[in-house]
Amino acid sequence: RKEVEQDPGPFNVPEGATVAFNCTYSNSASQSFFWYRQDCRKEPKLLMSVYSSGNEDGRFTAQLNRASQYISLLIRDSKLSDSATYLCVVNRYSNYQLIWGAGTKLIIKP
Amino acid sequence: DTGVSQDPRHKITKRGQNVTFRCDPISEHNRLYWYRQTLGQGPEFLTYFQNEAQLEKSRLLSDRFSAERPKGSFSTLEIQRTEQGDSAMYLCASSPGGGGLGETQYFGPGTRLLVL
Repeated sequence: RKEVEQDPGPFNVPEGATVAFNCTYSNSASQSFFWYRQDCRKEPKLLMSVYSSGNEDGRFTAQLNRASQYISLLIRDSKLSDSATYLCVVNRYSNYQLIWGAGTKLIIKP
Repeated sequence: DTGVSQDPRHKITKRGQNVTFRCDPISEHNRLYWYRQTLGQGPEFLTYFQNEAQLEKSRLLSDRFSAERPKGSFSTLEIQRTEQGDSAMYLCASSPGGGGLGETQYFGPGTRLLVL
């Protein structure tokens, strides 16, 4: 079983719709959680960190459920420019290794 | 541009050859990381430096791989006797240090390696 699991998609979503991604992680000792975005053939870029209390940045909302070891990302009012792969990332134990999911591909259609 | 830079951006080599990649982190970033990414997968951690000290190495980093950060600034990743399975994108990231586990890692554009 992979340490971080995501639905690979692709999610084909009309512009303006709301889309949600989920991610599960296996190590209960994980301490930091992130969503990264990666455009085709580009490097990953941090979208947002994920906190236990949940956090929002504009159209993006991230939630963490430690009991269920589950992370979510909600994108509201999706734009064509949101088309990308979204990677769920977990920090392992008490060191600096980031453990990455394989990513969920999102395609926003006009 | 003061982001993380990597050189070369692309490398094609024949099996059995040695290759070396360079990463220049963001100025004054103490921590530097190397990752490898294959098609359809997320990046996989390879190794991490705090200044010039290599503090962690993944089991993925076989004895054909060596990384250095001699002066605590730029880093090199060398792959000896390349194999076709080494074909991947090699990503370098840096972070300021002192920010704890949650500090942001900033990625360079990557070096895309193809081993023929």
